[in-house]
Amino acid sequence: AQRVTQPEKLLSVFKGAPVELKCNYSYSGSPELFWYVQYSRQRLQLLLRHISRESIKGFTADLNKGETSFHLKKPFAQEEDSAMYYCALYSGNTPLVFGKGTRLSVIA
Amino acid sequence: NAGVTQTPKFQVLKTGQSMTLQCAQDMNHEYMSWYRQDPGMGLRLIHYSVGAGITDQGEVPNGYNVSRSTTEDFPLRLLSAAPSQTSVYFCASSYSALYNSPLHFGNGTRLTVT
Repeated sequence: AQRVTQPEKLLSVFKGAPVELKCNYSYSGSPELFWYVQYSRQRLQLLLRHISRESIKGFTADLNKGETSFHLKKPFAQEEDSAMYYCALYSGNTPLVFGKGTRLSVIA
Repeated sequence: NAGVTQTPKFQVLKTGQSMTLQCAQDMNHEYMSWYRQDPGMGLRLIHYSVGAGITDQGEVPNGYNVSRSTTEDFPLRLLSAAPSQTSVYFCASSYSALYNSPLHFGNGTRLTVT
C-alpha cells in the first residue's frame, strides 16, 4: 500500500538557519509528490508539487526516486514559515495519501 | 468566489447524537472529499466523490455517511456521535476528478463529542 512518512512531528530552527522537512514514500510506480501547508488561522493550501519544479516562498523539493524521498528545503528560515507542513503522494487511481505532518517552528 | 465553505465552524455533541457537517463549493469542482485531522495522525480521508451521484469510502469511513446530490454540496453525516469522532474536519475539492489536481480546502469544523 502507498504510504507517506514524515519522521519529525516537530522541527524547531532559528531564523536564518537552513530548513529541511523530511518526506519519504513507499510506492513502486511513478509517483507525484506534493507539499501542502497550513499557516496559523489559514486554510490548508498547496505549497508546491514536484512536477512543477518551482520554488515557492523560497522552498524547493526534489523527488529522489532512488531514496524514495521528497524533502522540502529552504536555505534561510523566516518566522513566517512557521506552520504545519504535509507531504502527499499521488499514485494514479486513488486519492492523495497524506503524511502525518511536521510542525515547523522558526525561532527569532 | 467563496471557494470551499464549511459550516458550522464549531460544534459540541453528546454521545449518540447525530448531525450533518455542511460543505459547499462554488468553483464547479468535480472532486470533493472529507478529511479528519487528529494530532499525530495527520489527515485521514473519510469519504470522497468524483462527481454528482458518485461517492466512495476513504481510509476511515465508519460512523460517517455522505451523499452528492449536486456538484456544489457534499454533506458529511455523523450517524451516532462517539468521543472518538472528536476531531477537526476538513472538506476539500479540486477541479478535476484526477486525484493529482490541487486540492482547495475549507476552513474546517472543530467537533467535540462528550
